[in-house]
Amino acid sequence: QVQLVQSGSELKKPGASVKISCKASGYTFTSYAMNWVRQAPGQGPEWMGWIDTDTGNPTYAQGFRGRFVFSLDTSVNTAYLHISSLKTEDTAVYFCARNYDTSAYALFDPWGQGTLVTVSS
Amino acid sequence: DIEMTQSPDSLAVSLGERATINCKSSQNLLNSSNKKNYLAWYQQKPGQPLKLIFSWASTRESGVPDRFSGSGSGTDFTLTISSLQAEDVAVYFCQQYYNSPLFGGGTKVEIK
Repeated sequence: QVQLVQSGSELKKPGASVKISCKASGYTFTSYAMNWVRQAPGQGPEWMGWIDTDTGNPTYAQGFRGRFVFSLDTSVNTAYLHISSLKTEDTAVYFCARNYDTSAYALFDPWGQGTLVTVSS
Repeated sequence: DIEMTQSPDSLAVSLGERATINCKSSQNLLNSSNKKNYLAWYQQKPGQPLKLIFSWASTRESGVPDRFSGSGSGTDFTLTISSLQAEDVAVYFCQQYYNSPLFGGGTKVEIK
């Protein structure tokens, strides 16, 4: 079955960096765009952007340009989110979410289980 | 920028009763060319990721019980659970995909 499995929780100090992985299985990885979504505690989800898994070209939403980098390793069907210069306000659960189908519509399913990133001194 | 406003923030409904969740967009989500509303609904059960339950405002995804229905057009949308079951306890989010994806703040559904 289609599945996205993310790496485990992270506890980081402000100023550090973190890299989250999202391993896909059950489908052709390069046929579906991959999205990243942030959910801060008690908040609604916030779309961070997406990466074209065929070309590797990332697109970042406003507010996620500069410290956030999407990347891929297609040899292991894995997408990555790298966040640098972490701030306490980056504390959130980060989800990868595949485009629902191969159209351009931003519908997301399935989702990874989420990775909690806690930034605290 | 489009804003998505959900109401209420939370609601408690007795088992077997109706639950109604509203989602209002600050801009029209109906595409006049294809007559489709670019509005989705997701369900997030405790400790789980989101699950897509409706696309195009009213297209129920495979496996979603028919007690769930989606309606509305333009700027006002509704998710209805006709007869609440215990397994429906979750937070429900609307999301517009007319342009840059944006989620509502969520509605928490609990058992009264």
